[in-house]
Amino acid sequence: GEDVEQSLFLSVREGDSSVINCTYTDSSSTYLYWYKQEPGAGLQLLTYIFSNMDMKQDQRLTVLLNKKDKHLSLRIADTQTGDSAIYFCAESAGATNKLIFGTGTLLAVQP
Amino acid sequence: DAGVTQSPTHLIKTRGQHVTLRCSPISGHKSVSWYQQVLGQGPQFIFQYYEKEERGRGNFPDRFSARQFPNYSSELNVNALLLGDSALYLCASSLDPDQPQHFGDGTRLSIL
Repeated sequence: GEDVEQSLFLSVREGDSSVINCTYTDSSSTYLYWYKQEPGAGLQLLTYIFSNMDMKQDQRLTVLLNKKDKHLSLRIADTQTGDSAIYFCAESAGATNKLIFGTGTLLAVQP
Repeated sequence: DAGVTQSPTHLIKTRGQHVTLRCSPISGHKSVSWYQQVLGQGPQFIFQYYEKEERGRGNFPDRFSARQFPNYSSELNVNALLLGDSALYLCASSLDPDQPQHFGDGTRLSIL
């Protein structure tokens, strides 16, 4: 079946690195995504990785993909208070590439 | 460039009523998908449309329907509203179904 799991909460201090982890089940996913949701807002596409890649870096964001273990992680370097939000991992699934989301990880950044 | 726009931003309805939510995709995007996000959960897929044809439907009752217009905008309709339909309804667009999806800010629907 299609399922995405994430830890619920992560707390870090400003300036530290944050690592948010995710596991997924659909090995045929074309893309894997990270979205950010701030209170009362929609989803902001942060970054995504094509399934044949191991790593993608985009400024402060680094995505690591382990296809064998179906594990995806998002590292945020030099975490700022503005990074406080809920982060969703998502896999694309099926012929429509519909997105299957995890329950989200609440990132709290302490000043 | 404008992102995905949704209207209205907030809506309050009572049980049994119907509602129509609207979405305008990013210019040039031909695929539109709808998701329901209940408080405290991740979004759940409802529909996908591409080139005005329905390409996929999630596990939602027939009270939910949608369509896509020639200008690629889309409407989501929900009939016979239930308390459990209270949620944030998100629209996402992409160039085509194989490309990354970009979301609007959603319509927050409250059922009394």
